[in-house]
Amino acid sequence: DIQMTQSPSSLSASLGDRVTITCRASQGINNYLAWYQQKPGKVPKLLLYAASTLQSGVPSRFSGSGSGTDFTLTISSLQPEDVATYYCQRYNSAPFTFGPGTKVDIK
Amino acid sequence: EVQLVESGGGLVQPGGSLRLSCEASGFTFSSYSMSWVRQAPGKGLEWVSYISSSAIYYADSVRGRFTISRDKAKNSLYLQMNSLRVEDTAVYYCAGIGRYFQDWGQGTLVTVSS
Repeated sequence: DIQMTQSPSSLSASLGDRVTITCRASQGINNYLAWYQQKPGKVPKLLLYAASTLQSGVPSRFSGSGSGTDFTLTISSLQPEDVATYYCQRYNSAPFTFGPGTKVDIK
Repeated sequence: EVQLVESGGGLVQPGGSLRLSCEASGFTFSSYSMSWVRQAPGKGLEWVSYISSSAIYYADSVRGRFTISRDKAKNSLYLQMNSLRVEDTAVYYCAGIGRYFQDWGQGTLVTVSS
């Protein structure tokens, strides 16, 4: 099975900082990658799909890029409401594996 | 508006069984694929199972013990869980529509403990 890794596992950044999270697949998955945000005690929320397509209603400070095995999620200007854990998920074929998550908080 | 409402969670002993349900509304349930995703306490998300009109898939960790099904007349998704293990303890989410998950239920907690 294709494994998903994320880096870093956690990060602290200042308000207004640009934040980048990396997701890597052990084999190529084209652009079949989604990103989710999960705030503490809340249900996960879809941010992006097809690696770079923003889900309706998601702020434009979130963006995604990549194809094949390497992907990034970028928050252009970190806001207090962005404190959360972020997960990538591949969906090219089953199993539809999630990455281990990246926890983001405010410095 | 899409709504997914899970039920059926609870406390069960190791080796026991439980059946989760997810009632869907706000979309044409019969036309879309659905999944179950779980999250153990303090841990990350784990995809569990998927069902579409032409395929059913399971994670290796549950294959042979869990069975996914759907009742289109009742707009409901199910997860029959047998031979439960302590490590199956988690919040179980119904999620859809498709292979990535734009809609999630609130989750139902399954606790496997003696």
